[in-house]
Amino acid sequence: QVQLQQWGAGLLKPSETLSLTCAVYGGSFSGYYWSWIRQPPGKGLEWIGEINHSGSTNYIPSLKSRVTISVDTSKNQFFLWVNSVTAADTAVYYCARASWGAADGAYHYYGMDVWGQGTTVTVSS
Amino acid sequence: QSALTQPASVSGSPGQSITISCTGTSSDVGGYNYVSWYQQHPGKAPKLMIYDVSNRPSGVSNRFSGSKSGNTASLTISGLQAEDEADYYCSSYTSSSTLLFGGGTKLTVL
Repeated sequence: QVQLQQWGAGLLKPSETLSLTCAVYGGSFSGYYWSWIRQPPGKGLEWIGEINHSGSTNYIPSLKSRVTISVDTSKNQFFLWVNSVTAADTAVYYCARASWGAADGAYHYYGMDVWGQGTTVTVSS
Repeated sequence: QSALTQPASVSGSPGQSITISCTGTSSDVGGYNYVSWYQQHPGKAPKLMIYDVSNRPSGVSNRFSGSKSGNTASLTISGLQAEDEADYYCSSYTSSSTLLFGGGTKLTVL
């Protein structure tokens, strides 16, 4: 049973850098896309970006200038950095696993089927 | 990118069926069959309920079904149960190689 466990600093001051780690236990790291999603208090989900095992990334345009996602395949871990944080970055941050594949002559997106427990990050002076 | 459009809330009585809509554009929902639906209970991580518009992951009840017409995807829950009360989010792959979520719909089981 694949599990994602995430951790990182929960309280930041404006202009600091957010740093989160997500570790993958009990399953393969390759063959998947590893995503970060956030949820501001009382609001909806926002996809931040993703990385695969070879380091190929995609980011949401609105955050691309401040966000970096990287991977350490030797530890089955991936990371999120968001620099120059403001109060607007206050949210619960989730990591998740997604997969794509070809079957029955078509290409499929199998969704984000495994999620971390979430990390609350608060930005306040 | 603006969030996909979902109704803020829907409600139904136990045993009834409800449908939640998710409207996007030809650059996301209408352009790809890569629509997913997630259920989120308060204080919990989201759970995948539907992928590829209408497919259920193993273990998800067949009371949950998905469909799409043009730029609008829909999630239908039949035989409503108390435990279905939660927030539901749609998401879609986009032409920018990103994922976009809907604003979320709060389902109340009366």
